[in-house]
Amino acid sequence: EAEVAQSPRYKITEKSQAVAFWCDPISGHATLYWYRQILGQGPELLVQFQDESVVDDSQLPKDRFSAERLKGVDSTLKIQPAELGDSAMYLCASSRDGGHNSPLHFGNGTRLTVT
Amino acid sequence: AQSVTQPDIHITVSEGASLELRCNYSYGATPYLFWYVQSPGQGLQLLLKYFSGDTLVQGIKGFEAEFKRSQSSFNLRKPSVHWSDAAEYFCAVGPNQAGTALIFGKGTTLSVSS
Repeated sequence: EAEVAQSPRYKITEKSQAVAFWCDPISGHATLYWYRQILGQGPELLVQFQDESVVDDSQLPKDRFSAERLKGVDSTLKIQPAELGDSAMYLCASSRDGGHNSPLHFGNGTRLTVT
Repeated sequence: AQSVTQPDIHITVSEGASLELRCNYSYGATPYLFWYVQSPGQGLQLLLKYFSGDTLVQGIKGFEAEFKRSQSSFNLRKPSVHWSDAAEYFCAVGPNQAGTALIFGKGTTLSVSS
């Protein structure tokens, strides 16, 4: 079964440094999501793309976070500068068309530790 | 505002015993409801979903959930728990608008004792 690919699996960075995460959704999936999951919490949406367009980035801290999906396929999430509170699991998910009849498929996430 | 509440942070069940994980939602209209499971260090896997129709839905791995509109609940059940079911379980609600992202509860950690 096709999977959502994320890299790296783990990232340790010092505060004030820049960090980037990559996601390759399942082929043909138009909708891509970035979620942040703090330890002991449920995932919270950061940004949602439909093809290359941002549908919802209302919860994305835009002073330090940016996300792009230039060709409507893979996506990059960047944090600059990283802060201690950014330590979390960053999950990417994709769905065929964003409708609720096309379920979300999640990647295994990137575990970020900011020291 | 839409929200999901999972009242139990951690539950321990003996292997072979039955399981019920609670989920309550707050939403003005009929929501779409989901249960996901997450093993340590992994992404989330869909167990089951409810959109409409029969209020008892069957999912993978022997799980089922019942939608009760009067109680705004969508509890997850399994008649006999296996040790491999130990994981974190998340209830999620999706407003019935295409393209709107899911809202997750804080999760319930399930431990299985032998």
